[in-house]
Formats: sequence, C-alpha cells, structure tokens
Amino acid sequence: NAGVTQTPKFQVLKTGQSMTLQCAQDMNHNSMYWYRQDPGMGLRLIYYSASEGTTDKGEVPNGYNVSRLNKREFSLRLESAAPSQTSVYFCASSAQGLSGNTIYFGEGSWLTVV
Amino acid sequence: GIQVEQSPPDLILQEGANSTLRCNFSDSVNNLQWFHQNPWGQLINLFYIPSGTKQNGRLSATTVATERYSLLYISSSQTTDSGVYFCAVARGSTLGRLYFGRGTQLTVWP
Repeated sequence: NAGVTQTPKFQVLKTGQSMTLQCAQDMNHNSMYWYRQDPGMGLRLIYYSASEGTTDKGEVPNGYNVSRLNKREFSLRLESAAPSQTSVYFCASSAQGLSGNTIYFGEGSWLTVV
Repeated sequence: GIQVEQSPPDLILQEGANSTLRCNFSDSVNNLQWFHQNPWGQLINLFYIPSGTKQNGRLSATTVATERYSLLYISSSQTTDSGVYFCAVARGSTLGRLYFGRGTQLTVWP
C-alpha cells in the first residue's frame, strides 16, 4: 500500500555538503525517475532509469548522480550542494499497462541549501 | 525538448462553476497526462490521454493530437479541486520521461 516512498522529507544543507535522497517503490515497476520542482514551475526531469541496471540523464542532470540499486530503489546524490539546488524533489515510478502509462509520484523532499 | 504551454496561469472560481484548462505542445507526442497537485504538494495522476476523450466523474479531458493541444474540463467545481493542474507530455519508448507545463493554479471559493 506504500507506493513510492522517499526520504528524507525535509533537509537543510550547507553549501558544499553532500547528501543522498532515497526512493523505493513496491509496485514492481521497471522505470523510475527523479524530478525537481522550483517555485512557479512544472517538474523537470533530472535522471531516470528505464530498467534495472540502466540510468540516463534528463533535462537538468548537472550536479547530481544517481544509482539504481535494485528494481525497487533509486537514489539521487548531491555531491557538493549549491543554493541553486534548493528545490522540491520528487521520485516517481511508472509502468505501461493496458490503460496506458501510469506514473506514481512520491510525496516530495523539500531541500534547502544555505 | 518539447515545449508545453498551459493557460490560463491562474483561475479563480466560485464553487459550482465550470472551467476549461488548455495545454498546447510543440511536437508530436505519444504520451500526454494531466496531474493535480494539491495544496500539500501531492501529485495525482488524473488522465493518461495521448488522444481522444476520457471522463472520470466531474472531470473530462480531450486531446487533439494532430493539432497539438489538450483540454481539461472541470464541471461543478468544489473547494477540494483547488491546487495546480499540470499537463505533461512525452515521446519515445520511456513514457515517464515527461515534459511539464508550468501549470494552472486553480482556486475554488465556497
């Protein structure tokens, strides 16, 4: 019943610190994604993993790295945080079914870099 | 990438009113989805509608793929409809690789 779970929900970092956002899904989906949302904007894709063992860059990958640990888990790492990375981060997973593509989002992680 | 434009950017309604939200996109797509983001930030998938018309209760959506636009209709709006409505599109085999519009902020007053 959990769907997509991401942690932490809130984090404050100092410029130059590193951190990892964790994401797990329990729906047996092949594809997973990391998006960021800035104020007044739609979501923008950072990285995605079409299937276990593969990762690809999205629209805004600079400053981030990802790891598809297994089919369930997809983590996002900020190696040296910058104020421009202050944002809300959403993890998502998707599957293609008979009714089309269904994508499920986590509840978001609010990250502030000071 | 694909450009997605949504209009209007803001919409304020009285409870019970109807509304139409529009999404224009710049290229052919094989995935179009409408999402609702509630005031707590949660994103809910409303429709997967790369073409045609679908209805779900008071909501319906129509996509005219050849003319590169989609419409979301909300009838008899309720305060719980408030939030931001996003249109997102994709092409290719990874259908979750979405390009989002900036959204329509809907506020419904009682």
